[in-house]
Amino acid sequence: GENVEQHPSTLSVQEGDSAVIKCTYSDSASNYFPWYKQELGKRPQLIIDIRSNVGEKKDQRIAVTLNKTAKHFSLHITETQPEDSAVYFCAASSRGRDNFNKFYFGSGTKLNVKP
Amino acid sequence: DAGVIQSPRHEVTEMGQEVTLRCKPISGHNSLFWYRQTMMRGLELLIYFNNNVPIDDSGMPEDRFSAKMPNASFSTLKIQPSEPRDSAVYFCASSPLVVTGGPYGYTFGSGTRLTVV
Repeated sequence: GENVEQHPSTLSVQEGDSAVIKCTYSDSASNYFPWYKQELGKRPQLIIDIRSNVGEKKDQRIAVTLNKTAKHFSLHITETQPEDSAVYFCAASSRGRDNFNKFYFGSGTKLNVKP
Repeated sequence: DAGVIQSPRHEVTEMGQEVTLRCKPISGHNSLFWYRQTMMRGLELLIYFNNNVPIDDSGMPEDRFSAKMPNASFSTLKIQPSEPRDSAVYFCASSPLVVTGGPYGYTFGSGTRLTVV
């Protein structure tokens, strides 16, 4: 099956700086890569996603890039704010015939934005 | 839409007791997933259903865990007997089942925090 690795496990930045979280995956057939944000004590929430036919996607201060050749994708947060502090999870989809919507999650990155 | 609804939000039970967690997916979502989250293991997929049929239960820890989806709007995860190591937050998630053009991201419920003492 797919194997998703996520780095770093913790990230501390100053408010206003940028933050980058990186993930690698093993299955070249994976074609969908969502990112989730989980605030303390709350549910994971989808914040952005990208499909394999696109190299980059942006939504306000958040962007995701995908390098299919190298099998890695990254989350970029610009002009970070204290409310961006949370745990971020990346994921990659499976490509099985019956389980194509099964996601493999990374281990998470705890982002701390210092005011 | 009210989103994915889980109950109860918190459950404290004694070791050996049966625990049943409940989930109502978003209407129209044909895929339902049960996850367990702990500090040590992160998010673990326990089992998931497409069109009420279990597709992959390889993540179910042992025979003490069972899950059912009797219809498109309801699923249960049962632990019998419960043990202290089952203490975790259990999330249910749902997504549309779209073969062409999919998949799509999951919507998670608020979770059930289970404590087994």
